[in-house]
Formats: sequence, C-alpha cells, structure tokens
Amino acid sequence: DAGVTQSPTHLIKTRGQQVTLRCSPKSGHDTVSWYQQALGQGPQFIFQYYEEEERQRGNFPDRFSGHQFPNYSSELNVNALLLGDSALYLCASSWGPSGPPYNEQFFGPGTRLTVL
Amino acid sequence: KQEVTQIPAALSVPEGENLVLNCSFTDSAIYNLQWFRQDPGKGLTSLLLIQSSQREQTSGRLNASLDKSSGRSTLYIAASQPGDSATYLCAVHFGGGSQGNLIFGKGTKLSVKP
Repeated sequence: DAGVTQSPTHLIKTRGQQVTLRCSPKSGHDTVSWYQQALGQGPQFIFQYYEEEERQRGNFPDRFSGHQFPNYSSELNVNALLLGDSALYLCASSWGPSGPPYNEQFFGPGTRLTVL
Repeated sequence: KQEVTQIPAALSVPEGENLVLNCSFTDSAIYNLQWFRQDPGKGLTSLLLIQSSQREQTSGRLNASLDKSSGRSTLYIAASQPGDSATYLCAVHFGGGSQGNLIFGKGTKLSVKP
C-alpha cells in the first residue's frame, strides 16, 4: 500500500518565477491538504481539497493556488515567488466526510523549495 | 486565536531514560490531537492519534495522554534509544470551522545520547 507521494523532492527557483508541486494521496484517501514548513517552525496550513474543490484555506495570499484531479491527486501552484516562500512543502491525505470520522492525516516526504 | 505550544523546545537525555514531552493548546473544543515525528529534512510520521473522547493512546514504547479541560497533552517515551532522536510535533484539530486542518506546535527537538 503506497503512502503519500510528492514530487519533485527538491526544487530551486528564482524570485518572480512560478512553481508547481504535486501530490498523490494514500490509497483510499480522497482529501488532500497542503502545508508550508519554514525552517525551525511547525507546518502551517495552506489549503485543503475535497471533491476537486478548495474546502478550507489558511492565511496565505492568492499567489498560492491548487487543484485536485478526479483521481484525488493534487497540485500546489505558487506564482511570483518570493524569497520567503523558501520552505518544505508538505502534502497530507485523509478520508473526507464519507470516510471514518477521525480524520487522521498522513504526510508525504515533502518538497524542498529554495527561492534565490 | 487557536494556538499549540510545545515545551521544551529542545531536550537532550542519555540513552535508557524515560522522558515526557509536553503540548498545550488554547481551546478545549478539539476534534482530535496527533503526535508526529520528523527527522531532519524529512516529512512527518504519525505516531499516535487521540480522539477528543479518549484519555490516552499507546503504541510500543510511546504513550500519549490528553486532558482537554486543562488544554494539555503529553507524549511519554519509555527507555529512550538513540534512534528516537528527532523532532516531535504536536498537532491539534480544533472544532468548528477549522476542523479540516491541523494546528501545529513548533516541536521539541530530542537528542538521545548513547
């Protein structure tokens, strides 16, 4: 049973560029959440997708956008990159409202984004 | 504001010691609480999940407790080993509109010396 997978592992971009990160959820999960983890900090919630729609959003600007596909995989897009966007981006999957009620989240290995 | 705090920020112990990591949260109306382990530069590994109706959960040498009324959770690690060295993160699913996402503490960095 494959867990949550993310690609790429590492990414280096320059300020002003755009980036797309990808996530495949754990088998059987239909909900994907994205988190940003700056160095030395706990992860911060960006947004959550369920049934191909953004269901919840954290305190992140519109430069951060996402998408969920019919197979439940998801993309995170960041436009007009800033130096402060350098972080580890984590994807988590869980069962949505149709599944078990405990909503345990399982995380992928993350994508390390460096903005120069 | 819903917040999660972890104390201490770092902890160094000799191998074999039993230890306790602390987590406090600001709102007792929680959905559940998860403890994670994170190795340097890596993703998060879920250790234990405690539902709001539960008082504790156990997995091997790990035991997590939950006291909603005081807004606290503890992670107890028995007979620590060098392989336990990592950052331990506490995360809370608060109730209401934030039910879909986790609020994390900053973590406790544990070092177990041989």
